[in-house]
Amino acid sequence: QVELQQSGPGLVKPSQTLSLTCGISGDSVSSNSAAWNWIRQSPSRGLEWLGRTYYRSKWYNEYAVSVKSRMTINSDTSKNQFSLQLNSVTPEDTAVYYCARGSMGGTRGAFDIWGQGTMVTVSS
Amino acid sequence: EIVLTQSPGTLSLSPGERATLSCRASQSVTGNYLAWHQQKPGQAPRLLIYGASSRATGIPDRFSGSGSGTDFTLTISRLEPEDFAVYYCQQFGSSPPTFGGGTKVEIK
Repeated sequence: QVELQQSGPGLVKPSQTLSLTCGISGDSVSSNSAAWNWIRQSPSRGLEWLGRTYYRSKWYNEYAVSVKSRMTINSDTSKNQFSLQLNSVTPEDTAVYYCARGSMGGTRGAFDIWGQGTMVTVSS
Repeated sequence: EIVLTQSPGTLSLSPGERATLSCRASQSVTGNYLAWHQQKPGQAPRLLIYGASSRATGIPDRFSGSGSGTDFTLTISRLEPEDFAVYYCQQFGSSPPTFGGGTKVEIK
């Protein structure tokens, strides 16, 4: 059974860096048939895809245009996890952040497994 | 990017009734890579339907998806008490993946 476990602080000061980690059990971050996504949800923006990382003989990262200049996704194969770093945060980055698996196997890329969500507030 | 518009915004129904939710895309969804997710308060979304019409593992057969191209529908044949929630469509055939604004199914 695949599970994603998120960790990271719930409060970040403006202009600082938001960092979250998503631990994977039951699958591998370097799987050739999965992509590992970050999504956020806020009342103003709804569900917003932020980016993903995946391994297909080499690592690929993709980012949403809205955060591309501020966001980095890293993968750690030794810990079987991936992480999100969002720099220079503002109150507009306040949201619930989710990690999710996009499985290219049975569900053809649909986001079939989600982390529990982390409410992140940007405030001084 | 593909914009997904869901309607109605809110659906007020009674248990046992049929629910029909619509999702319209601003351009054709590649390969019908369209999913439906259910979200309850305080929980993460849960995948119900992928590929426009295939039920995810463990999803009851009262949930069904249909459609192709730009018009998709989620139908709940007979609402159970646990089905009252918010439903989102999502396309993942083109990058970036995008979500609709959601339809809330509430108890009448």
